Amino acid sequence: DTAVSQTPKYLVTQMGNDKSIKCEQNLGHDTMYWYKQDSKKFLKIMFSYNNKELIINETVPNRFSPKSPDKAHLNLHINSLELGDSAVYFCASSTYGEGSYNEQFFGPGTRLTVL
Amino acid sequence: QKEVEQDPGPLSVPEGAIVSLNCTYSNSAFQYFMWYRQYSRKGPELLMYTYSSGNKEDGRFTAQVDKSSKYISLFIRDSQPSDSATYLCAMSADNTDKLIFGTGTRLQVFP
Repeated sequence: DTAVSQTPKYLVTQMGNDKSIKCEQNLGHDTMYWYKQDSKKFLKIMFSYNNKELIINETVPNRFSPKSPDKAHLNLHINSLELGDSAVYFCASSTYGEGSYNEQFFGPGTRLTVL
Repeated sequence: QKEVEQDPGPLSVPEGAIVSLNCTYSNSAFQYFMWYRQYSRKGPELLMYTYSSGNKEDGRFTAQVDKSSKYISLFIRDSQPSDSATYLCAMSADNTDKLIFGTGTRLQVFP
């Protein structure tokens, strides 16, 4: 009964490769997010989608492309991987409603190592 | 300067101690204040959230927000070894789901 799941859990790859990380939530939420956590534990939002529509797009290189096939899924594709992309990537989901707090539930993370 | 500042620690305390974790911020538009706990190799999980200024208590945990000083705190009473984790503060403004996180404070509670 996992709420937010990510695959794979670990990803080790060479510089220049293209890779994808998948995220699924079974909470019935309509908003999903991608965060990046660096080696110093700093967690920063990258993207958010609401009902398959891009809402937040931080200053992320365009090598990163999120794709939301439906409300329950948000995938992250990364082209031409660089050493600096090594980090833990977290997916999260929440309900959506302006002017109120909506708890974000995080997945277990995908640890990406670029060699 | 980051929008949210948090001492990274580590903070090491004996079991039973009272722990105080703090964050300062610069954006006066922040209205929602959260504390997340992250165990090693896991995703963050929400501990507490507070809207605007004030205190909120939940068991051994108390969250305080002082908007005039742009300062938030999390107090843990009777700390336990199971409280050993990284504690992340997070904030957001009205009309946005964008959370701004602090860098996290690593806490270790030893028996």
